[in-house]
Amino acid sequence: DAGVTQSPTHLIKTRGQQVTLRCSPKSGHDTVSWYQQALGQGPQFIFQYYEEEERQRGNFPDRFSGHQFPNYSSELNVNALLLGDSALYLCASSVGQSRNEAFFGQGTRLTVV
Amino acid sequence: GNSVTQMEGPVTLSEEAFLTINCTYTATGYPSLFWYVQYPGEGLQLLLKATKADDKGSNKGFEATYRKETTSFHLEKGSVQVSDSAVYFCALSDGGTSYGKLTFGQGTILTVHP
Repeated sequence: DAGVTQSPTHLIKTRGQQVTLRCSPKSGHDTVSWYQQALGQGPQFIFQYYEEEERQRGNFPDRFSGHQFPNYSSELNVNALLLGDSALYLCASSVGQSRNEAFFGQGTRLTVV
Repeated sequence: GNSVTQMEGPVTLSEEAFLTINCTYTATGYPSLFWYVQYPGEGLQLLLKATKADDKGSNKGFEATYRKETTSFHLEKGSVQVSDSAVYFCALSDGGTSYGKLTFGQGTILTVHP
């Protein structure tokens, strides 16, 4: 079992550009959540996808959008990048919308210059 | 809204010392509570969890008890090892319409010296 896999591992973008991050959930998981972890901080919930729809959203602007595919994999898109978007982006997968354990990927380190 | 507060860090201990990392929370309803650990350069791993009041979660010598009366979920370990050096996050997941949405504390850096 490969667990939750994210790509790329590291990414450097210029302010104003757009970026797409990818996540493949753990086998058997159908729910994907995205988190932003700034340096020295705890992860902050961005949004959650289930059945290819955004089900919950945290306090993030519309520049942050996502998608879930029929195979349950997911993308996180960020438009008009700001320096403050530099962070570790974590994907977590789980089963359904329940209290089941969420498994995290290793994250994508995004640096905006 | 929901929130989690962890004790200020970092925490530095000698091997075999006793560890306590305090965690208190604010939530509506009856949340599930978690401790996650993050080793350098890695994602988060679930360390232990508790889903209702008075439950005790335990794993790898770590334990935490869900205290509803004090809204706390303190992490303890009787004898730490160098390999326990990591960042520890307390988190909650509320029920209702917020299934699967985790609210994290700010993290506590633990360094254990030989």
